[in-house]
Amino acid sequence: QKEVEQNSGPLSVPEGAIASLNCTYSDRGSQSFFWYRQYSGKSPELIMFIYSNGDKEDGRFTAQLNKASQYVSLLIRDSQPSDSATYLCAVTVRNYGGSQGNLIFGKGTKLSVKP
Amino acid sequence: KAGVTQTPRYLIKTRGQQVTLSCSPISGHRSVSWYQQTPGQGLQFLFEYFSETQRNKGNFPGRFSGRQFSNSRSEMNVSTLELGDSALYLCASSPFTGNQETQYFGPGTRLLVL
Repeated sequence: QKEVEQNSGPLSVPEGAIASLNCTYSDRGSQSFFWYRQYSGKSPELIMFIYSNGDKEDGRFTAQLNKASQYVSLLIRDSQPSDSATYLCAVTVRNYGGSQGNLIFGKGTKLSVKP
Repeated sequence: KAGVTQTPRYLIKTRGQQVTLSCSPISGHRSVSWYQQTPGQGLQFLFEYFSETQRNKGNFPGRFSGRQFSNSRSEMNVSTLELGDSALYLCASSPFTGNQETQYFGPGTRLLVL
């Protein structure tokens, strides 16, 4: 069973701090990694994707990928109360033919940023 | 550009009934994926349609089915509803199959089975 694991939280950080969200995955053949943000009662929205080992920065967000450790993380710098949401990690899984197929999602980490 | 639309937004059914949900993708998008989201299991992939063909299927029973029309609109059907089918059903569209980096979710249909 291919899995994506996340700490459910809640993760509470003060405004202005760095929030660190972590995710591990089981399928070594996965090649694409995504972070979604989901506000309560809303649908998920894509905030970052990463394909290669290392860091990828986009504004206050940095995604980090370590394929050897099967680990993906998301750092949110200068956290704001508006960042309070559930963050979902998603990973593509290999089809039987070896191509990249659908997304497997973690259950999400709830982040709370306190003013 | 209009986003992904789903109808209906809310639905109440009883056990044993069947239900059909509709998803209209973003204009020009040809891939539609369906997901089920519950508090216990999280977001789970149901199936993906591209150019009217099912390209991928998740691990759900045969009671869950779907189809896609020539205009890329998609429907999913759940027959013989069970209490555990109560969930938020989300569809997502992207221009091509396997194109998750440009995948956008609709607002969802919240289904309650009594």
